[in-house]
Amino acid sequence: AQSVTQLDSQVPVFEEAPVELRCNYSSSVSVYLFWYVQYPNQGLQLLLKYLSGSTLVESINGFEAEFNKSQTSFHLRKPSVHISDTAEYFCAVSQDMEYGNKLVFGAGTILRVKS
Amino acid sequence: DTGVSQDPRHKITKRGQNVTFRCDPISEHNRLYWYRQTLGQGPEFLTYFQNEAQLEKSRLLSDRFSAERPKGSFSTLEIQRTEQGDSAMYLCASSYLLTGEAFFGQGTRLTVV
Repeated sequence: AQSVTQLDSQVPVFEEAPVELRCNYSSSVSVYLFWYVQYPNQGLQLLLKYLSGSTLVESINGFEAEFNKSQTSFHLRKPSVHISDTAEYFCAVSQDMEYGNKLVFGAGTILRVKS
Repeated sequence: DTGVSQDPRHKITKRGQNVTFRCDPISEHNRLYWYRQTLGQGPEFLTYFQNEAQLEKSRLLSDRFSAERPKGSFSTLEIQRTEQGDSAMYLCASSYLLTGEAFFGQGTRLTVV
């Protein structure tokens, strides 16, 4: 069975500082990896995904994540955060080619950006 | 299209009552998923449909839970004889088979008192 562990439940950080949200997964088969973001009072939105190819994937708003198969990790990073990045971030894994189906989520990490 | 719509947004019910939630997916999406999210946890997969066919329901939490998508468009999730442990956020998502990410609705928050 697959599982996802997000190592930090909350991460406080000052504006313009770098941040890393950690995600480890366990699976005996090849997986597809995702980060979703949930802003206050909004639905989950896909931030970025790894399906195959380059192990470093980027989002349009400056986040990046690197798939590390040997470490079974998919940590999310941003070199300089903004107040508007305050949200809850969920790491998720799927082994289904038709990605989006049967996602297994971590418990989430709340990112609080302070001015 | 305004995205995935869920109704109601909030529902308070007494223990033992039946509740039904509705999800309207993005119109061209043929896959629809239901998840449940409890406090402090990530979403947990419940079931999914491809068009009107329910392709997996083994993750539904008990036989009190059922879901339908009668015409391959909107879907309903029903919980019979609600229990306090059913209190959670129920999320719906949709996607286009083979090509697209799953888009989530804002959820229905159920409180059983």
